[in-house]
Amino acid sequence: NAGVTQTPKFRILKIGQSMTLQCTQDMNHNYMYWYRQDPGMGLKLIYYSVGAGITDKGEVPNGYNVSRSTTEDFPLRLELAAPSQTSVYFCASSYSNTGELFFGEGSRLTVL
Amino acid sequence: AQTVTQSQPEMSVQEAETVTLSCTYDTSESDYYLFWYKQPPSRQMILVIRQEAYKQQNATENRFSVNFQKAAKSFSLKISDSQLGDAAMYFCAYRSSQGGSEKLVFGKGMKLTVNP
Repeated sequence: NAGVTQTPKFRILKIGQSMTLQCTQDMNHNYMYWYRQDPGMGLKLIYYSVGAGITDKGEVPNGYNVSRSTTEDFPLRLELAAPSQTSVYFCASSYSNTGELFFGEGSRLTVL
Repeated sequence: AQTVTQSQPEMSVQEAETVTLSCTYDTSESDYYLFWYKQPPSRQMILVIRQEAYKQQNATENRFSVNFQKAAKSFSLKISDSQLGDAAMYFCAYRSSQGGSEKLVFGKGMKLTVNP
């Protein structure tokens, strides 16, 4: 019973490098989200999607891009990594807007 | 914009005792959803309990219950008979029921320690 799967779990990047955080869910959920969690700051929404082909910005979208070509996958792209993007990233999904989100295990990203 | 405030960054409780985690929120809407999420040290966040604002009855899930005070915009979580496995970060969250507002707004979280 996979649920929401994120890869990689850990990654160290150099300033200016690019990378993609992968997220896939096997629950046929329409809604998917990317959050970042900074120490003592709770979770902040980066981008979200309400279905394949539809994405929208959240609270902190700068420096990130997303795509949603399939219902299952919602990758998060960092084009030019900056130290401010050092954080733990969580992907989540939900069936509808009832609010119960299912989270992945998180990806810890360090930019040096 | 809605905001969620968890004013206590940390709390501790003795095993088998009861602890209450506080949460307040700010909104101009009358219909919405409130949640408590738990994040154990393994980091995967899981839903603890959910409350619909239109329901007057407080939600309960086994040892977890809420005290929902709509007029006061307060949503506290009570954990009864605390267990070592309850040790985690707890996040309060708000979600509008209006169409196009699929986003959850989280509080900053509170670290709960359970002492044996």
